[in-house]
Amino acid sequence: QAQLVESGGGVVQPGGSLRLSCAASGFTFSSYGMHWVRQAPGKGLEWVAFIRYDRSNKYYADSVKGRFTVSRDNSRNTLYLQMNSLRAEDTAVYYCAKDLKDRGDTFEIWGQGTMVTVSS
Amino acid sequence: QSALTQPASVSGSPGQSITISCTGTSSDVGGYNYVSWYQQHPGKAPKLMIYDVSNRPSGVSNRFSGSKSGNTASLTISGLQAEDEADYYCSSYTNSNTFGVFGGGTKLTVL
Repeated sequence: QAQLVESGGGVVQPGGSLRLSCAASGFTFSSYGMHWVRQAPGKGLEWVAFIRYDRSNKYYADSVKGRFTVSRDNSRNTLYLQMNSLRAEDTAVYYCAKDLKDRGDTFEIWGQGTMVTVSS
Repeated sequence: QSALTQPASVSGSPGQSITISCTGTSSDVGGYNYVSWYQQHPGKAPKLMIYDVSNRPSGVSNRFSGSKSGNTASLTISGLQAEDEADYYCSSYTNSNTFGVFGGGTKLTVL
């Protein structure tokens, strides 16, 4: 059964950095595009980043472009999100999600999420 | 402001049917048959309920169905059950350089 498990969340000061990880199991990780999606407390879903199955292309929401970097290690079945220059508005639960067909528009499987709090 | 427009809330009684709308533009909902719907219970991760407008993933109840007309997609839940009470989000492919365009979410209350 496909499963995603995020880790790496925590409390960080404004301007700080954090690296999230997402461990995948139960499917051929190297064959699917992967996303990061976040949800601020009491708010809706916001797409953050997408990386194609072969790392050929990466895409970012305007709100994180230039500050966040998505990467993956297909040999370790792991997705990453490096977050730099963090702001209070980045406070959210961060989910990783498997794309349905590498089209980049359908989030088939979700992790349980990891909370990131940016506060002094 | 979300790219896709959903009603903030809908409600229905057990056994009834409800429909949640998701309105976009010809650049997203209206231009492609790539609309998906997600259910999210409080404190839980979202769950894919419908993809490609009207397809149900394995394991999703056939009480959930999707459709589209022009720039508006719809999620219909028939035979409402207490467990259906949750937030529902739509998403669509878009021809912009942005992926995962979401609606603002709809809170479904089962009376």
